[in-house]
Amino acid sequence: EVQLVESGGGLVQSGGSLRLSCAASGFTFSDYWMSWVRQAPGKGLEWVANINKDGSAENYVDSVKGRFTISRDNTENSLYLQMNSLRADDTAVYFCAGDTGYYFHYWGQGVQVTVSS
Amino acid sequence: DIVMTQSPDSLAVSLGERATVNCKSSQSLFSSSTNRNYLAWYQQKPGQPPKLLIYRASTRESGVPDRFSGSGSGTDFTLTISSLQAEDVAVYYCQQSYAAPITFGQGTRLDI
Repeated sequence: EVQLVESGGGLVQSGGSLRLSCAASGFTFSDYWMSWVRQAPGKGLEWVANINKDGSAENYVDSVKGRFTISRDNTENSLYLQMNSLRADDTAVYFCAGDTGYYFHYWGQGVQVTVSS
Repeated sequence: DIVMTQSPDSLAVSLGERATVNCKSSQSLFSSSTNRNYLAWYQQKPGQPPKLLIYRASTRESGVPDRFSGSGSGTDFTLTISSLQAEDVAVYYCQQSYAAPITFGQGTRLDI
């Protein structure tokens, strides 16, 4: 059974930092691109960042460029998102997702990030 | 960025009836080099993560009931649920992956 389990969320002040983690199991982690997708309270889905299979290429939505860094450890089957200079509009549930580079086939349950101003 | 616009924002359909959700992109999602449309549909139920239903505009994900179907090409796409079941109550999103950044539609809420 495919499992993606996010952790590391919480309440942080504006300007602070958080590091999200996602532990993967039940599929060959190194065969998949991985993404972070977020959903603000009562809002739709927003793709945040992705990373290719071996971690050599990363992409980001403009609103987080220079503040967020995505990384992965294929030996640990883990995905990470380092979030710095957090702002109130970063408040959301953050989902870890396994994708083919195009579509999100696997999803975690999500982790809440709340930025207080 | 490619803008994805869904219609309607919400709809109510009777059990057993057909439900149709539309998605329009601000530019074509069709690649002539791969002969594919880079469009997917997701279902999200309250308190749950999204679930991939359809990719490449019309390919059903493994395990998805065949009452769900996708159609369209270029800039206009449709998700159809042929006979609505109670468990289909959810928000549905379209998503493009033709060009970075990946973008989603605003969502369509489907009720009974």
